[in-house]
Amino acid sequence: NAGVMQNPRHLVRRRGQEARLRCSPMKGHSHVYWYRQLPEEGLKFMVYLQKENIIDESGMPKERFSAEFPKEGPSILRIQQVVRGDSAAYFCASSPVVRDGAYEQYFGPGTRLTVT
Amino acid sequence: EDQVTQSPEALRLQEGESSSLNCSYTVSGLRGLFWYRQDPGKGPEFLFTLYSAGEEKEKERLKATLTKKESFLHITAPKPEDSATYLCAVRVTGANSKLTFGKGITLSVRP
Repeated sequence: NAGVMQNPRHLVRRRGQEARLRCSPMKGHSHVYWYRQLPEEGLKFMVYLQKENIIDESGMPKERFSAEFPKEGPSILRIQQVVRGDSAAYFCASSPVVRDGAYEQYFGPGTRLTVT
Repeated sequence: EDQVTQSPEALRLQEGESSSLNCSYTVSGLRGLFWYRQDPGKGPEFLFTLYSAGEEKEKERLKATLTKKESFLHITAPKPEDSATYLCAVRVTGANSKLTFGKGITLSVRP
């Protein structure tokens, strides 16, 4: 059973360009989460999506960042007009259908974004 | 504000030297506490979920425990391959499904 897949694994962008990060959840998982990890900091929640719905985007910067999880295809995290402060590792996680109570989120290998 | 604090920041052990990693939390209502392992350049790997005070879970040399204020990850007779960063995270009531992470504890086990 394939795990969470992310691509690209490494992405280099110049300031002002757009970055698109892709995430395919584990088979059977319908919930996707994006987290960002800055150097020397912990993982920070960005957004939680289900198919065609954004459930919680409380961790997303108000400008330049957007996320989607279409009916078909991977989830995409899009960063417009990147700045050097966007350089970080971006992780996607997925989980099965939510029930009352906690459940595990399984993480992908991450996309390391470098803005030059 | 929900907070997760892990200590120490880094820990160096000799192979076979048992120890514990601490995760303390201040949250409005705990729905679950999670332990992950992260190797350099890789994504977090799920280890354990704990739901209520008094619960314990074990896997090989690792044992996780939970109280009302903190969790411990006990490592018994560690090996060099246990070297990694160990992350603690919580899911709280009313926070949808997001996890709040601590900064992690970097464990180094010398042969």
